[in-house]
Amino acid sequence: DAGITQSPRHKVTETGTPVTLRCHQTENHRYMYWYRQDPGHGLRLIHYSYGVKDTDKGEVSDGYSVSRSKTEDFLLTLESATSSQTSVYFCAISAGSLSGNTIYFGEGSWLTVV
Amino acid sequence: EDQVTQSPEALRLQEGESSSLNCSYTVSGLRGLFWYRQDPGKGPEFLFTLYSAGEEKEKERLKATLTKKESFLHITAPKPEDSATYLCAVQAQGGSEKLVFGKGTKLTVNP
Repeated sequence: DAGITQSPRHKVTETGTPVTLRCHQTENHRYMYWYRQDPGHGLRLIHYSYGVKDTDKGEVSDGYSVSRSKTEDFLLTLESATSSQTSVYFCAISAGSLSGNTIYFGEGSWLTVV
Repeated sequence: EDQVTQSPEALRLQEGESSSLNCSYTVSGLRGLFWYRQDPGKGPEFLFTLYSAGEEKEKERLKATLTKKESFLHITAPKPEDSATYLCAVQAQGGSEKLVFGKGTKLTVNP
């Protein structure tokens, strides 16, 4: 358990509404990530953060924004949800050590846009 | 562009029947190659990180190996509880530490 909590775990929302997913970590790691997982595509990076207020885009960032106002929280916002954003969203953190680095994932947030 | 290809897409084994999963990759300077296990409805569970060609790591019935172009996940005498999707990912040197994933291999072990 890498101390990652995602909320909400399940959400159904209507097309055009804003949605925010939250990732919370308890161990003060610098790097945090948001991925989405879809059948036939695998896990794809949406956005990542390398510190408070430091974020960058991944390969599928269109339609998403992120914010990190404190180390422990990384928020993913869908400004106006579309059906193509129905997916499972995973938050991850990078935990470095003297022996290398490991990236741990949360349990996922299932989002359905109707 | 960094790329990861896993094969086969799906594999069915009988309990005790050993086999290997393949992960071929291209990356602009490898920092690490990661293996994960994912059960239905769950997040990926970290298994191994390999850093250089020739490196091997083991965990119970699993053994991961790495060459300059591919990695193998060997499963020895699998049990039904080893059934899962196994994901491979690469991390390039320099910068974000982000992972690029393959599409996974779904392993089913029948009793």
